[in-house]
Amino acid sequence: DQQVKQNSPSLSVQEGRISILNCDYTNSMFDYFLWYKKYPAEGPTFLISISSIKDKNEDGRFTVFLNKSAKHLSLHIVPSQPGDSAVYFCAASDTGRRALTFGSGTRLQVQP
Amino acid sequence: SQTIHQWPATLVQPVGSPLSLECTVEGTSNPNLYWYRQAAGRGLQLLFYSVGIGQISSEVPQNLSASRPQDRQFILSSKKLLLSDSGFYLCAWSVLGHEQYFGPGTRLTVT
Repeated sequence: DQQVKQNSPSLSVQEGRISILNCDYTNSMFDYFLWYKKYPAEGPTFLISISSIKDKNEDGRFTVFLNKSAKHLSLHIVPSQPGDSAVYFCAASDTGRRALTFGSGTRLQVQP
Repeated sequence: SQTIHQWPATLVQPVGSPLSLECTVEGTSNPNLYWYRQAAGRGLQLLFYSVGIGQISSEVPQNLSASRPQDRQFILSSKKLLLSDSGFYLCAWSVLGHEQYFGPGTRLTVT
């Protein structure tokens, strides 16, 4: 049973435009959500996170939105740059367990 | 600053052979430690996590085991590898927050 789902395996956008990556979850115990970026043959790099008490968190070009009623979060990258091309993983955790549950990832390609 | 090391970077092993992957963390004390596996084209699957020396929680029953002999050392082992054990193995650490920080990974190919 996939508790964290990224339904789009890939996304292609033009440089300078907005990239929107989506993630859905089913476990209502999740109270913290994270996005990671991964290049091939490297470990994931932490990007940005959001607590369930917030609905938005912003860090430079990256903004994460959380809609708890819909159990949905999204990562916005504005403006997109070719260096953003990577696989993006959504992850969720609950305070009691402390382990992360990952989605299957979305491959973002930013075209110059 | 904290750093995390994993070795080896790549490994090719025959079916039935043993496995030992090592992970060490520097610059922090009493971290939570994790082993994940990413199979080809898949997401990251949590295998084991540890909140302290000798304390191991297994998430998925399988052909692998983990040990934490020292505070900042985490070892992933197998007595006999299967073809299905092939994948990209990642070690991660965390302290107070939810954020986990990953090592560079080990690419394991079982032939």
